[in-house]
Amino acid sequence: SQQGEEDPQALSIQEGENATMNCSYKTSINNLQWYRQNSGRGLVHLILIRSNEREKHSGRLRVTLDTSKKSSSLLITASRAADTASYFCATGLTGGGNKLTFGTGTQLKVEL
Amino acid sequence: KAGVTQTPRYLIKTRGQQVTLSCSPISGHRSVSWYQQTPGQGLQFLFEYFSETQRNKGNFPGRFSGRQFSNSRSEMNVSTLELGDSALYLCASSPDPINSGTEAFFGQGTRLTVV
Repeated sequence: SQQGEEDPQALSIQEGENATMNCSYKTSINNLQWYRQNSGRGLVHLILIRSNEREKHSGRLRVTLDTSKKSSSLLITASRAADTASYFCATGLTGGGNKLTFGTGTQLKVEL
Repeated sequence: KAGVTQTPRYLIKTRGQQVTLSCSPISGHRSVSWYQQTPGQGLQFLFEYFSETQRNKGNFPGRFSGRQFSNSRSEMNVSTLELGDSALYLCASSPDPINSGTEAFFGQGTRLTVV
């Protein structure tokens, strides 16, 4: 079963704009990870944020985590056509080893 | 460092056959997890192996099995294939965790088509 829902399901923006994707989940977590997937290929790890963290940055990516609302957001600034992909959030539980439960994903299209 | 390697990349099998997929984790990583991705069900956790022991198991029938070798390489096997087993199978490699999870790095996947 899916742990989380992502919103929106699809997003289309112009190059240079910012893209924001949201992820909601159901149970208490240990960590939340964001991944990118291009056209049914492998998943590329973007960022891991732990439950005691509120915000993390990596290059043009900014991730926030609100454990009280059981939600996270991924912001991509100054988007590029190469950012076109599906983005997934995945949650890990304390004591759950490395089992991840994935959200439904957001399809991002960045147009020139 | 080499990434996660999955073989084969593509596979076509007939209903009723069995299939074995292979995953070589990142050097030094001892945890290997397997996921199934389909358009209808999304990404679903199959199982996780750590130090040759299955640590977690998802909600899949017993036709799906796996194992891990002493060098951390892992294989998963699906017996008596059904059309619904057609999917992208992804392997993820993680460093040695204790209680909390660590980053999971994925391979390119094996695209299995059952006809």
